[in-house]
Amino acid sequence: SQTIHQWPATLVQPVGSPLSLECTVEGTSNPNLYWYRQAAGRGLQLLFYSVGIGQISSEVPQNLSASRPQDRQFILSSKKLLLSDSGFYLCAWSRGGQVLESEAFFGQGTRLTVV
Amino acid sequence: RKEVEQDPGPFNVPEGATVAFNCTYSNSASQSFFWYRQDCRKEPKLLMSVYSSGNEDGRFTAQLNRASQYISLLIRDSKLSDSATYLCVVNRGLDTDKLIFGTGTRLQVFP
Repeated sequence: SQTIHQWPATLVQPVGSPLSLECTVEGTSNPNLYWYRQAAGRGLQLLFYSVGIGQISSEVPQNLSASRPQDRQFILSSKKLLLSDSGFYLCAWSRGGQVLESEAFFGQGTRLTVV
Repeated sequence: RKEVEQDPGPFNVPEGATVAFNCTYSNSASQSFFWYRQDCRKEPKLLMSVYSSGNEDGRFTAQLNRASQYISLLIRDSKLSDSATYLCVVNRGLDTDKLIFGTGTRLQVFP
């Protein structure tokens, strides 16, 4: 069976510090990978989307970046965090190569507070 | 116009009530439709996919209206445990798996 791991679960970082959140998927190959952010009391915003190694689509301009160094590894980074980067970050995967009914499966999320 | 729009609610209903949520989407090329459930401070989890012909899973019924570009979720005989936020999800277009989430509709079932 497929599983998705995301860590850390919670993180408190000072403004201006770097960020690295990691997500790995097991039990599948060539998944589509996603990073979403959910601000307090708001919906999920798609940040990055990847269909393969080194292929990253950025949805919104921001000071975050994403990388996919391996097929089942997705990393969210920032060089300098802003207060507005606080939120609930969710990694997700869906089956690659199939457009229809490709539901997403989520990791447990990282709650980031920038202070 | 937002890609996916939902009434944020909250919908406050008594146990046993029937409640319906609607969601509209803007991209007529969208092909995949889902309802997710999100409990407070947890990750979203798939509730059900939405098929063109409509589909039912126990007390939950999902419908798709392509002409009007909306999907709906009907919950019958509401339980206290149904209290959560329900997220409408649509893929962005014909050739993409990019999944766009609505902001969610909050449901509170009371005794």
